Amino acid sequence: KNQVEQSPQSLIILEGKNCTLQCNYTVSPFSNLRWYKQDTGRGPVSLTIMTFSENTKSNGRYTATLDADTKQSSLHITASQLSDSASYICVVSEGGATNKLIFGTGTLLAVQP
Amino acid sequence: DTGVSQDPRHKITKRGQNVTFRCDPISEHNRLYWYRQTLGQGPEFLTYFQNEAQLEKSRLLSDRFSAERPKGSFSTLEIQRTEQGDSAMYLCASALALPPGEQFFGPGTRLTVL
Repeated sequence: KNQVEQSPQSLIILEGKNCTLQCNYTVSPFSNLRWYKQDTGRGPVSLTIMTFSENTKSNGRYTATLDADTKQSSLHITASQLSDSASYICVVSEGGATNKLIFGTGTLLAVQP
Repeated sequence: DTGVSQDPRHKITKRGQNVTFRCDPISEHNRLYWYRQTLGQGPEFLTYFQNEAQLEKSRLLSDRFSAERPKGSFSTLEIQRTEQGDSAMYLCASALALPPGEQFFGPGTRLTVL
């Protein structure tokens, strides 16, 4: 069964600190892996997208890594801000005609002053 | 605003009632997806359209659910005889079919069934 697992489920950090979120997946076929940020009550917004051949991708203070051999990804947030408080969801695309997305359950991040 | 829009943003209904949600995709996108997200979980795929054709439906989409995209633009998702278990956020996303493009999500419709 295609699955995406994330850890930790939730995380509390102080403003200005760094953190790393983890994602393991068992999705086949694999097209790409994305990290989304979802604010409470809003739709997900894409942060990064990586294909099989890419192993790192940055978007401002967000840096994602991908190890396609071990089927693991991480999202590193640098110098956290209060506005980073949200759910971060790892999503793997099956590709093919449907381009169906398999979502993880997310990591709920709370940044405290 | 040229993003994906959904209406209503919130809906509270009594068990047994019918509800209908609307999604307006980004205008040039020919693919439209519906997802359901329950509290503390990631979104789950329900169905998707390419233009007006509904190409795939998840087994999560029981016969009480029906989705349409009659003119290949906006889409509606109707739930008949709502149950408390239908309470969730219903998300719509749109994308280009070729090449398979990134899915852009709307703000969602939060359904609460009492």
